[in-house]
Amino acid sequence: SAVISQKPSRDICQRGTSLTIQCQVDSQVTMMFWYRQQPGQSLTLIATANQGSEATYESGFVIDKFPISRPNLTFSTLTVSNMSPEDSSIYLCSVDEGSGTEAFFGQGTRLTVV
Amino acid sequence: SQQGEEDPQALSIQEGENATMNCSYKTSINNLQWYRQNSGRGLVHLILIRSNEREKHSGRLRVTLDTSKKSSSLLITASRAADTASYFCATVVSGGYQKVTFGTGTKLQVIP
Repeated sequence: SAVISQKPSRDICQRGTSLTIQCQVDSQVTMMFWYRQQPGQSLTLIATANQGSEATYESGFVIDKFPISRPNLTFSTLTVSNMSPEDSSIYLCSVDEGSGTEAFFGQGTRLTVV
Repeated sequence: SQQGEEDPQALSIQEGENATMNCSYKTSINNLQWYRQNSGRGLVHLILIRSNEREKHSGRLRVTLDTSKKSSSLLITASRAADTASYFCATVVSGGYQKVTFGTGTKLQVIP
């Protein structure tokens, strides 16, 4: 099983600023996923990050708002840009060891935008 | 839109009782998974059932899958206060790039 370290665990940010969330995995993985969980809601996939290629974004999410880096097989970052209160959510990174089997999650970043 | 719709949205039971949560989905799947989330933190994988399986057990958990009805249920037997959490079903659709799509979730409260 994969162990995922995500930081920061929480942050309070001013509107108009940006926050970069880091995700570190203890093993090499091909695909990493970023999810958003709005208050009281389920998880919505933002994008899939493969090492060495551009991230693939889901409908409703764009690179300018949520730029993602994937410099190697154990690390990824998600930036939430030009934040507004509507961006207040929990952001989670996840890895899948292959073929839609069990997914492993970081502990999430609880973001509050004021 | 969410692939899975869960029912009920919230459930409150006494310790020792059984808890049943249901999940319905819309398209053909490769597998269906159940996850638990404590207090808005990271998710923990509970069990995976493949499309050619009908029932699976893991400890106090029992999962059923009915692909003809596009539905699944999660039964937690002899519930404990520590089972208090949100439970999500998640589906992986057949073919091509396989991503995990989460349902709406059931918030379970087990009262000691």
